[in-house]
Amino acid sequence: AQKITQTQPGMFVQEKEAVTLDCTYDTSDPSYGLFWYKQPSSGEMIFLIYQGSYDQQNATEGRYSLNFQKARKSANLVISASQLGDSAMYFCAMREGRGGADGLTFGKGTHLIIQP
Amino acid sequence: NAGVTQTPKFQVLKTGQSMTLQCAQDMNHEYMSWYRQDPGMGLRLIHYSVGAGITDQGEVPNGYNVSRSTTEDFPLRLLSAAPSQTSVYFCASNQKGDAPGYTFGSGTRLTVV
Repeated sequence: AQKITQTQPGMFVQEKEAVTLDCTYDTSDPSYGLFWYKQPSSGEMIFLIYQGSYDQQNATEGRYSLNFQKARKSANLVISASQLGDSAMYFCAMREGRGGADGLTFGKGTHLIIQP
Repeated sequence: NAGVTQTPKFQVLKTGQSMTLQCAQDMNHEYMSWYRQDPGMGLRLIHYSVGAGITDQGEVPNGYNVSRSTTEDFPLRLLSAAPSQTSVYFCASNQKGDAPGYTFGSGTRLTVV
């Protein structure tokens, strides 16, 4: 079974609209962390937002927020007021266990295209 | 700060050749890891290290060797390259603890012909 599932291979969104990118995860570890990364066409991995499994509130970073529903094991990324520069691949990833020693598990990604 | 530096950025190999992808970080991070990215597959963990002299296998370790002789360096070795190893390779480092501080290198695009 996949540990990270991103069900939207591609999305087209009008500029200035809000966007929700879906991510569900599977783990039996009570301590884990969830990440979202952006990968533009230039190829670098850009960290966007992080949510720890024990965090009580949803994480927010500027226009990015993470809708964390622990019981449903979902960690959706919400981008408010989308911009043309938001066009990119977006990856959800998970760290299991405490301490970050074991690397990250990634989903297959969502290709987001913002249309003017 | 340089962060995580990967060299080379591009490489073409013939089947059966060997090479080493270099990764160096200057943030004194204890943990380092290697990933490969194939179209439609996301990033997959190859090997990781929790400190000098300590390495372990990730999801797709076959065909790759690693070593960690210093905190700063974590090279990835392909002993006998195969076309299936054509991919983009990313190195990352992170600090010990639950904080999210993973830093990725800019990647190496490897083609095996």
